[in-house]
Amino acid sequence: KAGVTQTPRYLIKTRGQQVTLSCSPISGHRSVSWYQQTPGQGLQFLFEYFSETQRNKGNFPGRFSGRQFSNSRSEMNVSTLELGDSALYLCASSLVSVSYNEQFFGPGTRLTVL
Amino acid sequence: DAKTTQPTSMDCAEGRAANLPCNHSTISGNEYVYWYRQIHSQGPQYIIHGLKNNETNEMASLIITEDRKSSTLILPHATLRDTAVYYCIVRATISSGSARQLTFGSGTQLTVLP
Repeated sequence: KAGVTQTPRYLIKTRGQQVTLSCSPISGHRSVSWYQQTPGQGLQFLFEYFSETQRNKGNFPGRFSGRQFSNSRSEMNVSTLELGDSALYLCASSLVSVSYNEQFFGPGTRLTVL
Repeated sequence: DAKTTQPTSMDCAEGRAANLPCNHSTISGNEYVYWYRQIHSQGPQYIIHGLKNNETNEMASLIITEDRKSSTLILPHATLRDTAVYYCIVRATISSGSARQLTFGSGTQLTVLP
């Protein structure tokens, strides 16, 4: 079974631009979560999507948004990029029917904002 | 979710057992202990989880104290490829309507030495 895939793997943008990152979950997984990882703040939860609906959101400004499509693929968008948005953005998928919280992470997208 | 405390770093000789401790003194009765690890610049990888009984899988063993206030992840024969940051996470049982986010702390940097 293929793992979680994220595209692109690396991205360089300049301040003020906007960016869209993509995540394809493991087949059959309907929940997709996004995390941001920086050296200073560590791994922080951004938001989770299930059945095309945002179920939970972390403490990030409105510049960070996302969506999920009917095939469970998800995108996240960051508008008006700031230098501090440089980070590794990780996507994780999981089954919803099980009671424990095993999440499968993708390799991440490394975003650099210049 | 209960807070966890882990040592910042640990070393282990290759081929020896690596024992990674985690304190979670405020854990509630319905909270599981999960362990993930993150090899440099990759997405986190699920290792194991448990509620109150000791657990073992092909990757590791999880020993949870009887009062559930602490646990130890054991890698029985550490290899150089086990060098990673190990995260101990405490999370309640997931129901169909609850969020699936994981709250990562700082983790333990395990370095396996040749």
